[in-house]
Amino acid sequence: GQQLNQSPQSMFIQEGEDVSMNCTSSSIFNTWLWYKQEPGEGPVLLIALYKAGELTSNGRLTAQFGITRKDSFLNISASIPSDVGIYFCAGQRLKGSQGNLIFGKGTKLSVKP
Amino acid sequence: DTEVTQTPKHLVMGMTNKKSLKCEQHMGHRAMYWYKQKAKKPPELMFVYSYEKLSINESVPSRFSPECPNSSLLNLHLHALQPEDSALYLCASSQDWSNSPLHFGNGTRLTVT
Repeated sequence: GQQLNQSPQSMFIQEGEDVSMNCTSSSIFNTWLWYKQEPGEGPVLLIALYKAGELTSNGRLTAQFGITRKDSFLNISASIPSDVGIYFCAGQRLKGSQGNLIFGKGTKLSVKP
Repeated sequence: DTEVTQTPKHLVMGMTNKKSLKCEQHMGHRAMYWYKQKAKKPPELMFVYSYEKLSINESVPSRFSPECPNSSLLNLHLHALQPEDSALYLCASSQDWSNSPLHFGNGTRLTVT
């Protein structure tokens, strides 16, 4: 089946550092989504990307839709303790009018104050 | 705060019990989803409803029975579950079942004893 390769699997960083994570696939996607999930909660949508090459920011977060449509990255600048959580990428592919969402395995982020 | 509301937040049930999970959204979304999430794993799709019709059943055992009474509500009826069904059950909605991003609820933490 379709798979997304998300890396790194986990990160342990110092507060104030920048963070970068990415997802790659052998398949083309129409949309890339980035979610954050904290313990006891559902995934929260951070950024949605719809066009190849698109670069979108949401506060300290920046994400890009790769030119080949097979990859995306998420950067977090100047990390703070509340950035802790699991970050999931998700690729969405249109099959006819149906949007099938594929999740990466997640990047667990730990921030040391 | 999530705009997709799930109840109950926690549920403990025996293998002979019948229970239901409920999900509600008032964003006017026409696609609703049930996902199952095990610890440290990404969400796995169970069912998709599009315009109140079941569009996808990802080979889910019949002990899970979805229901969409109207465009704002989604239920998941549970009967004769197994301990391995213990997981976080997430409801999500999107504007339609195409290229629109999914918005998740905070889930129901289900424990089957």
